[in-house]
Amino acid sequence: EVQLVESGGGLVKPGGSLRLSCAASGFSFSSNTLTWVRQGPGKGLEWVSSITTSGGYIYYADSVKGRFTISRDDAKNSLYLQMNSLRAEDTAVYYCARDRGAGYFDCWGQGTLVTVSS
Amino acid sequence: DIQMTQSPSTLSASVGDRVTITCRASQSISSWLAWYQQKPGKAPILLIYKASSLESGVPSRFSGSGSGTEFTLTISSLQPDDFATYYCQQYNSYSWTFGQGTKVEIK
Repeated sequence: EVQLVESGGGLVKPGGSLRLSCAASGFSFSSNTLTWVRQGPGKGLEWVSSITTSGGYIYYADSVKGRFTISRDDAKNSLYLQMNSLRAEDTAVYYCARDRGAGYFDCWGQGTLVTVSS
Repeated sequence: DIQMTQSPSTLSASVGDRVTITCRASQSISSWLAWYQQKPGKAPILLIYKASSLESGVPSRFSGSGSGTEFTLTISSLQPDDFATYYCQQYNSYSWTFGQGTKVEIK
């Protein structure tokens, strides 16, 4: 069974940092592009960042560029999102998702909640 | 960035109704469009990719059409399990963008 499980969310003060993790199982992790998508409270979906196989290409939304860093460890079947200089508007549920290979997402984790508040 | 606009934002319908949701792109995205269903507190589920290809395991009452800048998601006969929010997403060019969502409510 294909499974993605996020962890690392929590409450952090503005300006603080947090590292999210996504553990994958049930598929060939190293062969897939992986993505982070977030959803603010009561809001729609927002693509955050993607990393292709072997970390060859990395993309960020303008809203997080320079503050967030995506990475992967294929040996551990894990995806990460290092979030620095957090702002209130970064408050959201963060999902990791598997990219089928063309830019759409066929498997999602259950999400992890990040709350940025003083 | 390519902007995606869905209409309507909210739709009230009854079980058995035929439902159509529209998604418009700010520029041509060929057929690089996906549709997702999301229920409260749950992750999205892929329904349609490449504008009209039905994801494996998704009921055949769901269908997608369109190309270029205008796309539709149709539910041929609305079922109780279909009350949810639906999102379109373009993957023509980074950065990927989603529509704002269409909530399908019980009439």
